[in-house]
Amino acid sequence: AQTVTQSQPEMSVQEAETVTLSCTYDTSESDYYLFWYKQPPSRQMILVIRQEAYKQQNATENRFSVNFQKAAKSFSLKISDSQLGDAAMYFCAYRSAMEYGNKLVFGAGTILRVKS
Amino acid sequence: NAGVTQTPKFQVLKTGQSMTLQCAQDMNHEYMSWYRQDPGMGLRLIHYSVGAGITDQGEVPNGYNVSRSTTEDFPLRLLSAAPSQTSVYFCASSYSVSSTEAFFGQGTRLTVV
Repeated sequence: AQTVTQSQPEMSVQEAETVTLSCTYDTSESDYYLFWYKQPPSRQMILVIRQEAYKQQNATENRFSVNFQKAAKSFSLKISDSQLGDAAMYFCAYRSAMEYGNKLVFGAGTILRVKS
Repeated sequence: NAGVTQTPKFQVLKTGQSMTLQCAQDMNHEYMSWYRQDPGMGLRLIHYSVGAGITDQGEVPNGYNVSRSTTEDFPLRLLSAAPSQTSVYFCASSYSVSSTEAFFGQGTRLTVV
């Protein structure tokens, strides 16, 4: 079974600074998808960024980018120019490309605090 | 377009009571699923459905039942609530079984006393 590990329960960043959230995963598969989800206090799950394992290029979405290291099974999220609205719980998630259905395996989450 | 709607948003149950958490989507999505979120454990898959009439177990199915009589609805039933089922429950849907984009409901916070 696949597992996802987020080793940072909490992180803090100063507004306008850059922060990196860590995620490692364990799988024997070669084809899969990785995601970062944001969960603000409203509880809504918001997709931040998606990475396809067969693509070597790191995904980017505006101020959000990932560092995908397939051999190391590492998938970190970098948030540049942090804003107060970035404060939330962030979840790393894995989806097998082999399984039938969009079954996500989540990490425990990292709480991100943004200081003004 | 309402997306994925969960009701209720909050619920308190006594141990042993039963209840149904409702989930409805209006996007004609084929795939639906239920997760529970617990501190320090992230979200874990309870049950999922790949289409009307078809359901299967996820990682933590014990104590929960599901059915999928229509494409739109995917209710989660707690047969005899236990304090260990205190959690936040999320329903999610995807267009098809091969989709990677998941649409989540707003969650239901359930407390079992």
